Amino acid sequence: IVLTQSPGTLSLSPGERATLSCRASQSVSASYLAWFQQKLGQPPRLLIYSATSRATGIPGRFSGSGSGTDFTLTISSLEPEDFAVYFCQQYGTSPFTFGPGTRVDVK
Amino acid sequence: QVQLVQSGSELKKPGASVNISCKTSGYTFSSFPMTWVRQAPGQGPEWMGWINTNTGDPTYAPGFTGRFLFSLDTSASTAYLQISRLEPNDTAIYYCARHKTVITRAPPKFWGQGTRVTVSS
Repeated sequence: IVLTQSPGTLSLSPGERATLSCRASQSVSASYLAWFQQKLGQPPRLLIYSATSRATGIPGRFSGSGSGTDFTLTISSLEPEDFAVYFCQQYGTSPFTFGPGTRVDVK
Repeated sequence: QVQLVQSGSELKKPGASVNISCKTSGYTFSSFPMTWVRQAPGQGPEWMGWINTNTGDPTYAPGFTGRFLFSLDTSASTAYLQISRLEPNDTAIYYCARHKTVITRAPPKFWGQGTRVTVSS
């Protein structure tokens, strides 16, 4: 399954809402779709799993939605620490592919 | 607390081999599958595959067969990635990552710090 993320880069200001898209080339089994955040020099950090469930310790401003082939990560109000790269991953069908990422940077 | 600590950076010549270790603590090693992920400079992560830490059975993604080997030392709660016949495009950061739950179909939640492998003559 090939994952496509859009936009490639999102330029926003703190306090704004971020909407990131992840589209799959075929239906993702049982909504086994995760979102990760990665900052420079760090490993990815799990934010969302099963398309909509927040991982432990993840702030409520992060939310996931979608099913089938279309998924969205929403950050309701950007905090300074949220400027990073975000990846989606499907883990329903092997190989468990990652998307190419969306960079969220400061406008 | 769950911790995954990987071995240090490696500089290798083309054709050489490298062995990366991922030492774990804070949980029952054989209960949770372990995933390996490659991230080339400036690129997104690539899922290399996973290993069943109970049986030792590996699953490799297409493109990671033949030269790549996942293995375990269960007594040391350590997973290993060996790459043979290194090529320049193997230059990347390699991560081990423990699955969130004991099932295969779970995202990686706990990650090692990454091991940078540079392949250059």
